[in-house]
Amino acid sequence: QTVVTQEPSLTVSPGGTVTLTCASNTGAVTSGYYPNWFQQKPGQAPRALIYSTSNKYSWTPARFSGSLLGGKAALTLSGVQPEDEAEYYCLLYYGGAQPWVFGGGTKLTVL
Amino acid sequence: QVQLVESGGGVVQPGRSLRLSCVASGFTFSNNGMHWVRQAPGKGLEWVAIISYEGFNKYYGDSVKGRFTISRDNSKNTLYLQMNSLRADDTAVYYCAKENAATLGIDYWGQGTLVTVSS
Repeated sequence: QTVVTQEPSLTVSPGGTVTLTCASNTGAVTSGYYPNWFQQKPGQAPRALIYSTSNKYSWTPARFSGSLLGGKAALTLSGVQPEDEAEYYCLLYYGGAQPWVFGGGTKLTVL
Repeated sequence: QVQLVESGGGVVQPGRSLRLSCVASGFTFSNNGMHWVRQAPGKGLEWVAIISYEGFNKYYGDSVKGRFTISRDNSKNTLYLQMNSLRADDTAVYYCAKENAATLGIDYWGQGTLVTVSS
């Protein structure tokens, strides 16, 4: 069974920098997994932030960036704002009969 | 602007069936694959199913395989999810989501519809 693992929770101070990661139990995450990142605030639908590892949408704030780091997909927030407090999910592509798997999510607290 | 509006959720007894719909607008529906994603109360996102732009290719998550069927009607810009043999652990908000046509992934989400499976 494919499992995608994220940090359950992280805390960051306003103006600080934080990196969220996304790991696969099948091995190192590469660009071939087309990592996607989403933000979800309470009571809202998820919103797409990053696709294909590091590409931003027109609505993605510049302080969000995606990368590969130590065999994992990573989402870095630089100059964190209070409105960045949310749950963040990664999505990886595996192909085959069950092509997509979400990570368990990271609850980011800005304190 | 892209809009995805789900409907069809509600309370249903275990073992019964329900069909969800998602009406799309603001983009060329017939050019894009579409996903269903669900979220149980207080839990994370779970990928459910995907259908290709023309409806020929369909894939499912292990937890719904054999019970759920994804389909689409491109003439009506509508995506469907037929859910049979429903169980209590199918209780969730169900989101339809648009595939990013330029690369793999999801770029737009609907607001979701709540399905509650309870006797």
